[in-house]
Amino acid sequence: EAAVTQSPRSKVAVTGGKVTLSCHQTNNHDYMYWYRQDTGHGLRLIHYSYVADSTEKGDIPDGYKASRPSQENFSLILELASLSQTAVYFCASTDRGSNERLFFGHGTKLSVL
Amino acid sequence: QQQVRQSPQSLTVWEGETAILNCSYENSAFDYFPWYQQFPGEGPALLIAIRSVSDKKEDGRFTIFFNKREKKLSLHITDSQPGDSATYFCAAKSSSGSWQLIFGSGTQLTVMP
Repeated sequence: EAAVTQSPRSKVAVTGGKVTLSCHQTNNHDYMYWYRQDTGHGLRLIHYSYVADSTEKGDIPDGYKASRPSQENFSLILELASLSQTAVYFCASTDRGSNERLFFGHGTKLSVL
Repeated sequence: QQQVRQSPQSLTVWEGETAILNCSYENSAFDYFPWYQQFPGEGPALLIAIRSVSDKKEDGRFTIFFNKREKKLSLHITDSQPGDSATYFCAAKSSSGSWQLIFGSGTQLTVMP
């Protein structure tokens, strides 16, 4: 079974502070994604990556940066956290050959105060 | 623009009843429709999926019915169990053009014992 690990599981940040969410996968998957979940909006794609050292913008990239230093690791960075970024963030990965089944981490609950 | 819509937003059924979750989409290019199941505190996980060449997909107590002409599909959960209580996301993607999986806003199902 695919394993995607996110850290931290929850975080409280102050407005204007920098936040880094980390994701690690052990499945040798090429594709990795960051989603945001808000009540009533389902899952929205923030950033994704096909290969190490390369990231792409998703549907809602404003206010977020991403970093893929290796195939296994994918980080989401909030340089200046804002109240509106309070949400649950999910990392996911999928295999290149089967770009259909996403394997999600347990999520990071971020509260910006 | 919400390309994938789900209804109802929440649904409560009694143990043993059949729960029916609805989904509709706008993009006629969508041809792959997975349903993800999410328990509280966890990430979504693939439950069952259907391709547009089929009108029905069954897996145990879970069945997808697909109507291509009306761009609608539904997930039927027969003999519902309290352990089925979760949020269910309908998603869609096209096998050509954009690879992105588009998620609906989810249906929160509660099965009462």
